[in-house]
Amino acid sequence: QVQLVQSGAEVKKPGASAKVSCKGSGYIFTNYYMYWVRQAPGQGLEWMGIINPSAGSTTYAQKFQGRVTMTRDTSTSTVYMELSSLRSEDTAIYHCGRGSWGGAVDCWGQGTLVTVSS
Amino acid sequence: SYELTQPLSVSVALGQTARITCGGNNIGSKNVHWYQQKPGQAPVLVIYRDTNRPSGIPERFSGSNSGNTATLTISRAQAGDEADYYCQLWDSSTAVFGGGTKLTVL
Repeated sequence: QVQLVQSGAEVKKPGASAKVSCKGSGYIFTNYYMYWVRQAPGQGLEWMGIINPSAGSTTYAQKFQGRVTMTRDTSTSTVYMELSSLRSEDTAIYHCGRGSWGGAVDCWGQGTLVTVSS
Repeated sequence: SYELTQPLSVSVALGQTARITCGGNNIGSKNVHWYQQKPGQAPVLVIYRDTNRPSGIPERFSGSNSGNTATLTISRAQAGDEADYYCQLWDSSTAVFGGGTKLTVL
């Protein structure tokens, strides 16, 4: 079955970077885009960007331009999302999700809690 | 940037029909997707491209989209439908989510 497994929770200090991984299985990794969506405590879903695992091309939400980097390793079917210059407002659950460009997310990872605290 | 407007909360009596709206400028010209999210869980896709149900989603879930409003309809509401619901679409190479609606089943 299709499965996305994310890395574990992280605690970071303000100004540091966090790197979350998302490993896909049960499908052809390069046939689907990977979304990154975050959810602050008690808040809604916020799109951060998308990566094409085949080409490695990315599109980032304007809000995160310059702070977010999405990469992939096709040998391990894993995508990564790194967010830099962390601040307390970045405390959130970060989800990866499989989908298509211009479409929907049909499978989600379990989420990774990133806590930013001094 | 494109904005999607959802009511903060909707209540429905057990067994009745719930309708959750998603408003946006000429949203009827776009493909709208809907997600259900229960506390502590990842979202689940319940409707894609306005009216389509993924496999495993009950027929009680349906969608429509016209003009400036897309609607998720949940028929014969059950206690297990209590959750947050989000609409989503793409605009100018950007994915956009609505603010979410909390559905309470009374």
